[in-house]
Amino acid sequence: AQSVSQHNHHVILSEAASLELGCNYSYGGTVNLFWYVQYPGQHLQLLLKYFSGDPLVKGIKGFEAEFIKSKFSFNLRKPSVQWSDTAEYFCAVKSNDMRFGAGTRLTVKP
Amino acid sequence: GAGVSQTPSNKVTEKGKYVELRCDPISGHTALYWYRQSLGQGPEFLIYFQGTGAADDSGLPNDRFFAVRPEGSVSTLKIQRTERGDSAVYLCASSFFSSGRNTGELFFGEGSRLTVL
Repeated sequence: AQSVSQHNHHVILSEAASLELGCNYSYGGTVNLFWYVQYPGQHLQLLLKYFSGDPLVKGIKGFEAEFIKSKFSFNLRKPSVQWSDTAEYFCAVKSNDMRFGAGTRLTVKP
Repeated sequence: GAGVSQTPSNKVTEKGKYVELRCDPISGHTALYWYRQSLGQGPEFLIYFQGTGAADDSGLPNDRFFAVRPEGSVSTLKIQRTERGDSAVYLCASSFFSSGRNTGELFFGEGSRLTVL
């Protein structure tokens, strides 16, 4: 089965700083890639997804992610974070079932 | 309902007891997933149903855990002889599968928080 690795456990940024969260996966076949977000006290929500085509995908709230097949990576980016982006972010990889990374906790200081 | 519904939202039980957690997926979603999430961890895959059958149950940690989906809609996760280490939030998610293609996006419920004393 596929596995997912998220490099950063906890990231602390000030508002307006740029964000990049790393995600690498291991799986030899075709996969679909996702980023989910979990705001405090809320359930997991889809941020963005990649199935095929343009490897740069745009999601909600100004987030984007780039699929680099040769690096088995799908890093999440945002040019300027806001306090409301404080949440837990999970990278996920889907072949038949969906596997999640351990998550990165983002704290944005006002 | 509009979203994935899980009951109970909270369950406190004693070590050794039997527990059932219920998931009601979004209407029309044929794929259903169970995950377990411990504090500070990502969702850990348990089992995946396509229709009534378990397509992949490789994530179930041991034979104390069992899940069913007899009519291809509601699913029940059953845990026998609970242990303190079973304490976690149990998440259910569903997705749409049509013409041999799974759209991929999982819609999650709020979770059932299980505490084993």
